[in-house]
Amino acid sequence: TQLLEQSPQFLSIQEGENLTVYCNSSSVFSSLQWYRQEPGEGPVLLVTVVTGGEVKKLKRLTFQFGDARKDSSLHITAAQPGDTGLYLCAGEWNNDMRFGAGTRLTVKP
Amino acid sequence: EAGVAQSPRYKIIEKRQSVAFWCNPISGHATLYWYQQILGQGPKLLIQFQNNGVVDDSQLPKDRFSAERLKGVDSTLKIQPAKLEDSAVYLCASSLYLGTGELFFGEGSRLTVL
Repeated sequence: TQLLEQSPQFLSIQEGENLTVYCNSSSVFSSLQWYRQEPGEGPVLLVTVVTGGEVKKLKRLTFQFGDARKDSSLHITAAQPGDTGLYLCAGEWNNDMRFGAGTRLTVKP
Repeated sequence: EAGVAQSPRYKIIEKRQSVAFWCNPISGHATLYWYQQILGQGPKLLIQFQNNGVVDDSQLPKDRFSAERLKGVDSTLKIQPAKLEDSAVYLCASSLYLGTGELFFGEGSRLTVL
């Protein structure tokens, strides 16, 4: 059983569309991170959220941490082909970082 | 600043053979992680070091996997003997602090077991 459940597993959309991906858990996390991974590379950190209810914006990406610090969402506005990749959430668990299975996003031109 | 270095990038072996992966973390990073990423899945933590001590190896299959971080810098992950299900990308990551902060990943070592 995954500590962090991500949905959807796959998402294919057209350029210009909006999308939201989710990261859910039954456990409380002191912080939660979102990474993006491209083929043949390691994950790269996008954002860290720490406070329940926190919202962070990174250009067209909006990250939200749930009030109870058990879940998070990533919303992308006007998706572009360059947003294509595997989006991973990771939570701090007993002083180490555990990852979800990821959402594989494809943005078609 | 140099990133996390891993080698080899690719390795193909037959089952029951052995293989070793090497990782050099970012200078000054005390915490080092080895993750296994099977195709289509997220990274699974195998082992975490703080300097040269093991913090968490609860998900490391110790009958065939071993890892060390001598002198608290470079690390080696070994698999002996390899099984077909060990085919995966082995990612090394480092962070400045234990448990919090950004993880910096290497490009990974892709293992194929035939």
